[in-house]
Amino acid sequence: KNEVEQSPQNLTAQEGEFITINCSYSVGISALHWLQQHPGGGIVSLFMLSSGKKKHGRLIATINIQEKHSSLHITASHPRDSAVYICAVWTGNQFYFGTGTSLTVIP
Amino acid sequence: NAGVTQTPKFQVLKTGQSMTLQCAQDMNHEYMSWYRQDPGMGLRLIHYSVGAGITDQGEVPNGYNVSRSTTEDFPLRLLSAAPSQTSVYFCASSLRGNFYEQYFGPGTRLTVT
Repeated sequence: KNEVEQSPQNLTAQEGEFITINCSYSVGISALHWLQQHPGGGIVSLFMLSSGKKKHGRLIATINIQEKHSSLHITASHPRDSAVYICAVWTGNQFYFGTGTSLTVIP
Repeated sequence: NAGVTQTPKFQVLKTGQSMTLQCAQDMNHEYMSWYRQDPGMGLRLIHYSVGAGITDQGEVPNGYNVSRSTTEDFPLRLLSAAPSQTSVYFCASSLRGNFYEQYFGPGTRLTVT
């Protein structure tokens, strides 16, 4: 049983499409993180959420604490958005990660 | 700032050998952590530290030791390498904990034969 589930596992989109990646978790959390792992392996933090919604450029992250669900949206997707997107939750003393959503954006 | 640095980038060990993976950060972050990433399993927390002199275990601590003698450095020691420790290892830091943005190092790819 995974504490953090992401969907879809793989996603292919045409450039310009609106993309949604979902994350559901089964534990009580203090914070939820969205990370981006580039094809070369490097990991970058995109968002940290404890409630509501955050926006950074074309990326939007939302969280619903009651439903234990978060979404990452990418507007006007671009080939440079191709990466693995990872959802992670911090319970206060433990960090759990989803297995990631592999996104490919085709020109 | 160099951010979070890790050495080496690649390492091959024989079963039973020991080694230390180095991690350093120059952002004066209190919180540092080590993760391993295996195919199909996602990242898993090995050990973490909330400040110099303070460390704690994560989800998969067996076979690994850590220490935090300075704010900047957080080395991970493999005491007696096993093939099950073949993985990619990431070090990360954040200002005060996992309620803050995480900064990741570039990773170390370790193979144990």
